[in-house]
Amino acid sequence: EVQLVQSGAEVKKPGESLKISCKGSGYSFTSYWIGWVRQMPGKGLEWMGIIYPGDSDTRYSPSFQGQVTISADKSISTAYLQWSSLKASDTAMYYCAGITKSNAFDIWGQGTMVTVSS
Amino acid sequence: QSALTQPASVSGSPGQSITISCTGTSSDVGGYNYVSWYQQHPGKAPKLMIYDVSNRPSGVSNRFSGSKSGNTASLTISGLQAEDEADYYCSSYTSSSTLEAYVFGTGTKVTVL
Repeated sequence: EVQLVQSGAEVKKPGESLKISCKGSGYSFTSYWIGWVRQMPGKGLEWMGIIYPGDSDTRYSPSFQGQVTISADKSISTAYLQWSSLKASDTAMYYCAGITKSNAFDIWGQGTMVTVSS
Repeated sequence: QSALTQPASVSGSPGQSITISCTGTSSDVGGYNYVSWYQQHPGKAPKLMIYDVSNRPSGVSNRFSGSKSGNTASLTISGLQAEDEADYYCSSYTSSSTLEAYVFGTGTKVTVL
């Protein structure tokens, strides 16, 4: 079965660092782009960036450039999204999504809820 | 890049057809045939319903169809059913000399009356 499985919910304090993960299985992880999407509580979807695990080529949305780091470890078929210093405004559900059909996100992880609160 | 513009809400009775619009610019929707549509039920991850403007992934009902004219794409749901009540988002690939990216629409809540 083709799937992306994300790490569990996180509760952090402002200023802390965090790295969440997205593990792919059932397909050639290194051959397809993986993207990250933010959904703040009660709000819409926002594209954050994408990475090609085969060579770690990474593209960022201008809105998120410099705010987060996207990486991947192809040896364990896992993509990551990390923050060096969280803010309360980072509180959101974060989804990873794979692009195996043209330029559409056709495989989605279950989401990782990140809560940042003092 | 700015979010694509969708109506906040659309409603219809069971069996009717509804259409959701998605308006962008010549740099995204109008410039590429890479428009996709996603359905999201409350508390669930989004699900791809349409890709490349009008293609349906395997397993998606043929009641869902997509089209595009100029800078506006559309998703039509025919034979509306209770299970279609959800949020719907469009998305487009966009590219410039300095940026390759994706952009989502503002989202549309579909209510089945």
